[in-house]
Amino acid sequence: LAKTTQPISMDSYEGQEVNITCSHNNIATNDYITWYQQFPSQGPRFIIQGYKTKVTNEVASLFIPADRKSSTLSLPRVSLSDTAVYYCLVGDRDNYGQNFVFGPGTRLSVLP
Amino acid sequence: KAGVTQTPRYLIKTRGQQVTLSCSPISGHRSVSWYQQTPGQGLQFLFEYFSETQRNKGNFPGRFSGRQFSNSRSEMNVSTLELGDSALYLCASSPPFGNGYTFGSGTRLTVV
Repeated sequence: LAKTTQPISMDSYEGQEVNITCSHNNIATNDYITWYQQFPSQGPRFIIQGYKTKVTNEVASLFIPADRKSSTLSLPRVSLSDTAVYYCLVGDRDNYGQNFVFGPGTRLSVLP
Repeated sequence: KAGVTQTPRYLIKTRGQQVTLSCSPISGHRSVSWYQQTPGQGLQFLFEYFSETQRNKGNFPGRFSGRQFSNSRSEMNVSTLELGDSALYLCASSPPFGNGYTFGSGTRLTVV
């Protein structure tokens, strides 16, 4: 069961790029890396998922080095509305549930 | 495309009562998972259902149970409610070989 380590909190200013790094030293061959965003009293929202190298979508980029023991979520030009908790998960995407463990996440505060 | 729908949105129950929460997954999603979120414990996995069968189960007492119907809708039941069961209960669905979970907005259960 892969576990992840992320910073508990981060502060940033509007318009800056934010990089949140997650460590997952025991990642397994079949595991994917997935990031979620959660606002208070709402369910987590899928941001991005990757297996290796770099993945980019309309809201974020995910950088994964060759050894896959860490990953970095990059949020370009954050705004106040990006203030939320961000979770990094690793797991076999063909066998969710028990293998998909949420850690405490990173609380990102975007300041004006 | 409709998202994951959870009902009711809010619920207040008395200690010792039982409660049933409902989740309608995204059309075509056959996997449904349930999570409990509290300030102290964070997001904890309860169980996962796939094609009406419980595929994974988290570390919760037998008072917590669930089921999935042939249309993939799922219910979870908590019997003999305790004050500590007060939490946000989240349901998530995923497609086969999917790209992450889609969460509902949750049911906020308060036990008094």
